[in-house]
Amino acid sequence: DSGVTQTPKHLITATGQRVTLRCSPRSGDLSVYWYQQSLDQGLQFLIQYYNGEERAKGNILERFSAQQFPDLHSELNLSSLELGDSALYFCASSAGTGFPTQYFGPGTRLTVL
Amino acid sequence: AQSVTQLGSHVSVSEGALVLLRCNYSSSVPPYLFWYVQYPNQGLQLLLKYTSAATLVKGINGFEAEFKKSETSFHLTKPSAHMSDAAEYFCAVTSDSNYQLIWGAGTKLIIKP
Repeated sequence: DSGVTQTPKHLITATGQRVTLRCSPRSGDLSVYWYQQSLDQGLQFLIQYYNGEERAKGNILERFSAQQFPDLHSELNLSSLELGDSALYFCASSAGTGFPTQYFGPGTRLTVL
Repeated sequence: AQSVTQLGSHVSVSEGALVLLRCNYSSSVPPYLFWYVQYPNQGLQLLLKYTSAATLVKGINGFEAEFKKSETSFHLTKPSAHMSDAAEYFCAVTSDSNYQLIWGAGTKLIIKP
């Protein structure tokens, strides 16, 4: 158990809908990272937050957004969902800047029908 | 910019045989290097990491990796494969500037009975 929790574990929704994925980092970790993993694209870094502020952006679509709250949990919002958004979404956390070891949650499997 | 190459999207070995998974990175600046393992339907788990201490790093489950600066490599080995080692393995390296992790494409390890 990495100490990173993600909810829900599974999510099934329809095209055009909006969903929110939630992540709680390890106790004391300030950085949260979001990743998308699909069969065709592999593991893709989406976005990083550090202590409430956006720190780095990867291949995140404009339809996707994230935020980190004062209690350090994070949410990833996916809107106008398309079939191709079906994937595993992982959250990871690390202690912060200069501490690159990331600890991953179990993931949320999103299925868009 | 830093990049990571994992040679072989699939590697197949017999149970009891040597496991060798290859990882090469591009930067001449010694980075931090990581191997993560992902079992089916699970999140990524840290296997081992190199952070500029000993060049031979021992990880969990009998795996180890050797940092070779002259070859810009960080190959993962295990003397004797076990059926439970079947998983996908990811190599990652810190970026040149901000400790972001740059990920390899992953190698699926298949263990033949």
